[in-house]
Amino acid sequence: KNQVEQSPQSLIILEGKNCTLQCNYTVSPFSNLRWYKQDTGRGPVSLTIMTFSENTKSNGRYTATLDADTKQSSLHITASQLSDSASYICVVRNAGGTSYGKLTFGQGTILTVHP
Amino acid sequence: DVKVTQSSRYLVKRTGEKVFLECVQDMDHENMFWYRQDPGLGLRLIYFSYDVKMKEKGDIPEGYSVSREKKERFSLILESASTNQTSMYLCASNFYSGSHAETQYFGPGTRLLVL
Repeated sequence: KNQVEQSPQSLIILEGKNCTLQCNYTVSPFSNLRWYKQDTGRGPVSLTIMTFSENTKSNGRYTATLDADTKQSSLHITASQLSDSASYICVVRNAGGTSYGKLTFGQGTILTVHP
Repeated sequence: DVKVTQSSRYLVKRTGEKVFLECVQDMDHENMFWYRQDPGLGLRLIYFSYDVKMKEKGDIPEGYSVSREKKERFSLILESASTNQTSMYLCASNFYSGSHAETQYFGPGTRLLVL
């Protein structure tokens, strides 16, 4: 069964600190992995997308890594800001089958940044 | 800027009522999606559409139907609302591409409470 597991479920850090969120998946065959940020009361917004051949991708203070062999990804946030408080969702796309490429969503990690 | 709008941010309905949730996108996207989001479960796909008048079931279509009469508009219908359909409903859209790498753009969500 295709699954995406994220850890931790929630995380509290102080402003200015770094943090790393984890995503493990069993989706196969793999197409791509995307990290979304979802602010409270809003829809998710894409941060990064990584394909099989990519192992690091940055978007400002966000850096995603992918190890396709171990089926793990991480999202590292540097010098956190209050505005980073949100839910971070890992989404893996299946390469096979349907016309839209099935997505499997993780349950999200809720990050709270305190001043 | 891509814009996906949903007709209501909050809705309160009674058990057995027929409920319409509407979604409109302004980017001429072929694909449109309806998800529900529940704590600890992540986003789950209800239905999607890859063209006008076309629809396909997602992972949890039971109790829902959809309508896509125009390219920009995708409606989710709860024929007879039940309390277990209390949830956050998210609409998304994207272009179709063979690589399946196109970002899904999400609306702000509709929080539905069924009493």
